[in-house]
Parts: sequence; structure tokens; C-alpha cells
Amino acid sequence: GAVVSQHPSRVICKSGTSVKIECRSLDFQATTMFWYRQFPKQSLMLMATSNEGSKATYEQGVEKDKFLINHASLTLSTLTVTSAHPEDSSFYICSARDWLAGSYEQYFGPGTRLTVT
Amino acid sequence: SQQGEEDPQALSIQEGENATMNCSYKTSINNLQWYRQNSGRGLVHLILIRSNEREKHSGRLRVTLDTSKKSSSLLITASRAADTASYFCATDITGGGNKLTFGTGTQLKVEL
Repeated sequence: GAVVSQHPSRVICKSGTSVKIECRSLDFQATTMFWYRQFPKQSLMLMATSNEGSKATYEQGVEKDKFLINHASLTLSTLTVTSAHPEDSSFYICSARDWLAGSYEQYFGPGTRLTVT
Repeated sequence: SQQGEEDPQALSIQEGENATMNCSYKTSINNLQWYRQNSGRGLVHLILIRSNEREKHSGRLRVTLDTSKKSSSLLITASRAADTASYFCATDITGGGNKLTFGTGTQLKVEL
């Protein structure tokens, strides 16, 4: 089946610094990828929809200047958490849909655990 | 806001028993999907049921969908300790651009 990878799997950073998380579709092209955030023992909350070659669409309440998304190719989307604060500590998960295969199934990456100290 | 509410929030059963989880949602959907998540890991897609389908099977999994009640259920038969995980329903809302909205999740624990 289709595989989505994320890098890094874990990252610890100091408050005020920026962190970039990569999401790659390994064996299919993904014109659209999705970024989610999950707090401990909670569900996934969609942050934004990343579209290849155009601006991301952010969900209500998500600061686009804080969570920068770049979808520069059909297999790579990046999420940059700028000026991170401890409240940004969370599990960030991306997903992608194999549009060419015509499937509605979304393939999820393994997630990135961000800890801001 | 989250589309789906799941119940129970937590479920503890003995190996070999069946586990049933329910999901309710609020608006019209294209399809409903169930996912599994082991602690601290990514999500694994289990099954997708379209809005015009009422029941679907995959191995030990059985999913039902009642669009009139805006609800779905996931049944895991003959559960195993390895089924211990969190289970989420996710709805692909009509006109939602194929975004998924996740339910609150059910934490299943299967004990030996």
C-alpha cells in the first residue's frame, strides 16, 4: 500500500525557535496533503490542507503565520512551526490521498512529536 | 468543531469477546472511515463505507452505517490483545473538499 513518511519522528526545541517537519509520499503523487495536530489522549484536529503549487488552506483558529506550510512538489509538504512555544508541544501528523488511484483512503504518516522547552 | 462523537470513550474486554464502538455525526457525508491508532503512533486505515452502503466487512471487522440516524458502528469480533488501541471514526463531509473530520475516539483494551 501507499506509504507516507515524516521526518523527524521526535524533536525537542527551545522556546522561540522554529522547527520544520517534512511529510513525504514515498510511492505515489499527492497533490493534496493534510496536516493534523493531536494533543495527548485527544483526537486529531485538522490544521490545514496543503495544495501542491498553491497556498495552503487553514482551518479556523489556526494561525497561518505561525504554522507555515509549503507544498513544493508532488511528494513533499513541509510544516514549519515558527517561534515555537511550550503550548505548541503536540503530536503532528500528516496524511495524503492517492488521487490518481481514485481512492478516498488517506494514508497517514507516523507522526512527529514536538516538545518545546 | 469535531464532527463525530464516539462512545464509549473507553472499553475494556477479555480476549475472544466482541467489541462494539459507535460513532455519531452531524452533517451529510460522502463516506465514513474508521482508523486505528496504537499509542504514540500514526493512524492505520481500517475500513471505508460510502454513504450509499449500509454494511461492510473486512476480516474480523464489521462496519454499519445508518445515514438516517447519522451513526456508524464498528464491531471487532473475537478480539485479541493485539487489538488494544484507540479507534477513530472520520467523516468525509459533503462539500468538504475531502477533508476528514475525526471523532473523539474509543480506547479499547483487550485483556488476556
